[in-house]
Amino acid sequence: GAGVSQSPSNKVTEKGKDVELRCDPISGHTALYWYRQRLGQGLEFLIYFQGNSAPDKSGLPSDRFSAERTGESVSTLTIQRTQQEDSAVYLCASSPRDGNSPLHFGNGTRLTVT
Amino acid sequence: AQSVTQLGSHVSVSEGALVLLRCNYSSSVPPYLFWYVQYPNQGLQLLLKYTTGATLVKGINGFEAEFKKSETSFHLTKPSAHMSDAAEYFCAVVGGYNKLIFGAGTRLAVHP
Repeated sequence: GAGVSQSPSNKVTEKGKDVELRCDPISGHTALYWYRQRLGQGLEFLIYFQGNSAPDKSGLPSDRFSAERTGESVSTLTIQRTQQEDSAVYLCASSPRDGNSPLHFGNGTRLTVT
Repeated sequence: AQSVTQLGSHVSVSEGALVLLRCNYSSSVPPYLFWYVQYPNQGLQLLLKYTTGATLVKGINGFEAEFKKSETSFHLTKPSAHMSDAAEYFCAVVGGYNKLIFGAGTRLAVHP
């Protein structure tokens, strides 16, 4: 079956513009996670959804970052007034449920802020 | 709080040589541990995981890892490296709300 799908795969934007990144999780996966991977660094946790609620938003770096999820389906990560330090690959992952189920990752969206 | 430290941001081995990628964790509860691999321009793939039970865990592509509680380690090994193993490898521990907390990654280079 289809894996986690993210769009766009690449996004170049000017500093100060808003961007929306989309994640389509695997059908039936209730848990959804957003991570950020800056060049040469590890993955930073941003936010976790269980269904359409977000019990853990502790990784969002500032109030310019927000995310929402429709039911147990699509999620969008929005970055307002983008800054150059927002340049990174944004990865989405989903899993069937909480616990030790492995996360299934999308290929990410590479965001470049000029 | 849980955390992961990967020793060595870059590791280089010859084809056919032993691969050893180091991971140490910190956890206040019995840990669930994972290794993921990221090939160039691709997403992360699960290599193997440890939850409970046998401490030696076998994964895909001939990789294995051993959970050592006394050393708080979960090192990844492969007896004989292939050129196709060149990638970035991430160790992770399950944290609050079951999110994965990743190490900084180790980039493995394999040369002929």
